[in-house]
Order: sequence, then C-alpha cells, then structure tokens
Amino acid sequence: AQSVSQHNHHVILSEAASLELGCNYSYGGTVNLFWYVQYPGQHLQLLLKYFSGDPLVKGIKGFEAEFIKSKFSFNLRKPSVQWSDTAEYFCAVTIQTGANNLFFGTGTRLTVIP
Amino acid sequence: DARVTQTPRHKVTEMGQEVTMRCQPILGHNTVFWYRQTMMQGLELLAYFRNRAPLDDSGMPKDRFSAEMPDATLATLKIQPSEPRDSAVYFCASGLAQGDGYTFGSGTRLTVV
Repeated sequence: AQSVSQHNHHVILSEAASLELGCNYSYGGTVNLFWYVQYPGQHLQLLLKYFSGDPLVKGIKGFEAEFIKSKFSFNLRKPSVQWSDTAEYFCAVTIQTGANNLFFGTGTRLTVIP
Repeated sequence: DARVTQTPRHKVTEMGQEVTMRCQPILGHNTVFWYRQTMMQGLELLAYFRNRAPLDDSGMPKDRFSAEMPDATLATLKIQPSEPRDSAVYFCASGLAQGDGYTFGSGTRLTVV
C-alpha cells in the first residue's frame, strides 16, 4: 500500500535558522508530490508541488523542496525561518496513474521561537 | 481567487442528532475529497468523488456516515446518528482529475456533546 512518512513530528527552531523537513513515500511508480501548510486554526494551503522536470521546486514564502527519486524523498527546505512560519506541514502524494487519491503524511509541527 | 466553500464553519450538536456538512467545490473541478482531521489520527480520507461518482469511501464508517454529490456544485457529508467520537474538523477539497494540486475549504469544526 502507498504511504507517506514524515519522521519529524515536532521541530523547534529559532528565527533565522535553516529548516529541512523530511518526507519519504513508498510507491514505485510515477508520483506527483505536494507540500501543504496549515497555520493554527486554518485550512491546508498548497506550498509547492512537483509533477516533472527540475527536481528542485520553489514554492511560496521562500520554501523549496527537492525530489530525489532514488531515495523516494521530497524534503522541504527554507534557508531562514520566521516566526510566522509556525504551522503544521504536510507532505502528500498522488499517483499519476489511477485514481489520483491524495495520500497525506502525518504532518510535522514547526514552532519558530522569536 | 477561487475557493472551496464549506458550511457550516462550526457545529455543536448533541449525541444522536443528524449532522449535515456541505461543500461547494471550485467551479470546473471534477474531483472532491472529504477528510477528517483530529489530533490523534491526523488527516483521514473519508470519501472522494470523480465526476460526482464515489470512487472510494472505504475510510468512512458506513453505518453512520454517508457522502453524496447531488450535483456538480454540491457535496454533502452526513452523520446519523452522531457520536462524541465524531468530533473533529471535516475538510473538503476539490481539484482536477490530473492531480494538479487540490484546494481545501476552511473546514467544519464539529463538536458532538
């Protein structure tokens, strides 16, 4: 069965620190990859997505993610976090053939300390 | 910006009552998902539709939950009878079949007392 793993459950950083959140998926076929962010009390918003092409994807608010096919990974990065980045981050995957169901990881809570 | 609209935003109800949540997907989107989010379970897929037809509702307790799309502009999720363990935030999301990212609604926060 397809699955998405986010191994960091809670990450605490000081402002200006660099961020990397891990995401691994288990599926051997062609996938589309997403990162969503959920600010406290709000709904999920799309940060960035990868379908094909350049494996380094840039999203909104200075975030980027790198798809490494050999590692089944799609890690999220930001060089310098801000207090306003405090949120929960979800990695998600759809499979390009088939029903395009959106599989989510369990999420990583990021707390940025001013 | 196009939005997925969910109503109501908040619902408090007594155990045993029927609850209906509504979702208006973005015009033109042919795929609609219902998710439930709780602290313990995270995001759980309840059901999803393609071109109004249910594709997968295996995540939904069939004895009390039902999901429908009476037309392309409305998706409903009904719980009857509701139980305290149903307390959660229910999100609807819509998108296109190609999986070009999905847009989430603001959710319905359900509290069953």
